[in-house]
Amino acid sequence: DAGVIQSPRHEVTEMGQEVTLRCKPISGHNSLFWYRQTMMRGLELLIYFNNNVPIDDSGMPEDRFSAKMPNASFSTLKIQPSEPRDSAVYFCASSSAGYTEAFFGQGTRLTVV
Amino acid sequence: SQQGEEDPQALSIQEGENATMNCSYKTSINNLQWYRQNSGRGLVHLILIRSNEREKHSGRLRVTLDTSKKSSSLLITASRAADTASYFCATHGSSNTGKLIFGQGTTLQVKP
Repeated sequence: DAGVIQSPRHEVTEMGQEVTLRCKPISGHNSLFWYRQTMMRGLELLIYFNNNVPIDDSGMPEDRFSAKMPNASFSTLKIQPSEPRDSAVYFCASSSAGYTEAFFGQGTRLTVV
Repeated sequence: SQQGEEDPQALSIQEGENATMNCSYKTSINNLQWYRQNSGRGLVHLILIRSNEREKHSGRLRVTLDTSKKSSSLLITASRAADTASYFCATHGSSNTGKLIFGQGTTLQVKP
């Protein structure tokens, strides 16, 4: 398996623009996590899906952030409108059933100018 | 909010020395995991210890868990320059939600 695949790897956008980050989890995994990493706040869990259903989105910063998982092989994290404080590295991770290890993608480095 | 807190925040040692990192957490857990992150890369799973286990080994890694103190430690023996990275603990809560929460991490530098 190619592992968790995220795209794009880097994104530079202007404030106010819509940004969509994409994630393909490992085939057969049924849990998917979106994290945001910054120097100031560390690694924050934004949202967690189980079997394509959002289980906990309490970490989503505000209404500008939304996440979907239309099927078991694809998830998106959308920011609309984007702001400079959204600049961070966004990671997607997946895991198999139960309380097991998570496999991370390489991340998307987002810069909002 | 983050579950775990690592200590120390940064650690610098010479190659061949042992490195010990500590993690404290707040709520009851199903398991505790340690991950490694090289600069600019994603996190890689190192080891998982369940709440009913007290110690676990994997190669040069030794993890301990004390659920009464809500703490864990990661020991890397005979460190190498290639061990230079950030190390994070993460917890799966016992509330059956499946959330995986990470601590702030310890940055380890191993000098050759």
